[in-house]
Amino acid sequence: AQKVTQAQTEISVVEKEDVTLDCVYETRDTTYYLFWYKQPPSGELVFLIRRNSFDEQNEISGRYSWNFQKSTSSFNFTITASQVVDSAVYFCALSEYSNSGYALNFGKGTSLLVTP
Amino acid sequence: SQTIHQWPATLVQPVGSPLSLECTVEGTSNPNLYWYRQAAGRGLQLLFYSVGIGQISSEVPQNLSASRPQDRQFILSSKKLLLSDSGFYLCAWSRTVTDTQYFGPGTRLTVL
Repeated sequence: AQKVTQAQTEISVVEKEDVTLDCVYETRDTTYYLFWYKQPPSGELVFLIRRNSFDEQNEISGRYSWNFQKSTSSFNFTITASQVVDSAVYFCALSEYSNSGYALNFGKGTSLLVTP
Repeated sequence: SQTIHQWPATLVQPVGSPLSLECTVEGTSNPNLYWYRQAAGRGLQLLFYSVGIGQISSEVPQNLSASRPQDRQFILSSKKLLLSDSGFYLCAWSRTVTDTQYFGPGTRLTVL
């Protein structure tokens, strides 16, 4: 079963628009970790944010902000005033304890295209 | 600061040939190391992880294997490649099992 769902496969926006990437996760654990990564066309995964399950505070970093809501099992990512350089595939991931230790389960990713 | 290297960057291999991909981490000791594969149009799949020298755990049965001959070196191998082994292979490291995983630049493998 998919533990991380990114329902938006592709999003296209015009530069300067705000865009929200959705992430819904599924876990029975009380201790878990959530992540967002960015994958530009070069392919390397770039770490954006890590949140543990006990910290529901929203976070803002420049034009990026994250909304963590345990009540809806969501960890959404908003880019304000999008720029062409934001074009990439964005992955949400969940880390929870399993027989393999803390495995990182990725969603299928959302491809964001920002056009001028 | 820590850096993670992977080579080669790209590789084209015929079906049935062997494979060896290398990953090394600098600037840290006793890292946890991971191999992921990203097939075309799909998400990332964890293949192997290692918490120490000689300690390898496999997540998915396949014709690939991994080894960790040194503390900061992680190798992905195959004796005979299949067409289905094509994909983008990413190595990652973390300080502990719950810490953030940081990824290398990846190796794009095409099996013909």
